[in-house]
Amino acid sequence: EAQVTQNPRYLITVTGKKLTVTCSQNMNHEYMSWYRQDPGLGLRQIYYSMNVEVTDKGDVPEGYKVSRKEKRNFPLILESPSPNQTSLYFCASSFPGLGPLHFGNGTRLTVT
Amino acid sequence: GQNIDQPTEMTATEGAIVQINCTYQTSGFNGLFWYQQHAGEAPTFLSYNVLDGLEEKGRFSSFLSRSKGYSYLLLKELQMKDSASYLCAVKGNYGQNFVFGPGTRLSVLP
Repeated sequence: EAQVTQNPRYLITVTGKKLTVTCSQNMNHEYMSWYRQDPGLGLRQIYYSMNVEVTDKGDVPEGYKVSRKEKRNFPLILESPSPNQTSLYFCASSFPGLGPLHFGNGTRLTVT
Repeated sequence: GQNIDQPTEMTATEGAIVQINCTYQTSGFNGLFWYQQHAGEAPTFLSYNVLDGLEEKGRFSSFLSRSKGYSYLLLKELQMKDSASYLCAVKGNYGQNFVFGPGTRLSVLP
């Protein structure tokens, strides 16, 4: 089944403890992206990647890192999480042409 | 700059028709996409337009006017399960993919 898989679905952590949210897609998509979604603010792009080893900042990149060593994987790294990073995170992928974005099921992160 | 506007909330009655509008100003345009999102779940793709005009997919239709920076999503024969947020997104030029609007929360009442 074609899908975008994120893990974990729920994560509660403390300020400053490094964490990684994994994202994997099996559709051979070149484009992958991370979004956070907060009430009243909609989906905001954190980072995106047009292909392997090609990443760029979105609208809200501060406090996040990403890497794209393989086409299928695009992990999101929070080196020192803070409470203002408490949010619902989505990974998404697509072909770079007219294809729509396909979303993972989301990761609800709480930083205390 | 990039700006996408949608109404915050709408209410409609089961069996009715509702139109959700989206206006946009973006630095590039390679298509306008509509997504449905139930609370706490991932957005799911509904429809997209690249050229001006109406695209119909069952109970859902989407319209685009590129010269006016305007789109709408039309939902017919509303069902209770259509209660969700509807997100308008513009796909920009290379490296500016998928800017999302704030979403419209639709409540379908019996």
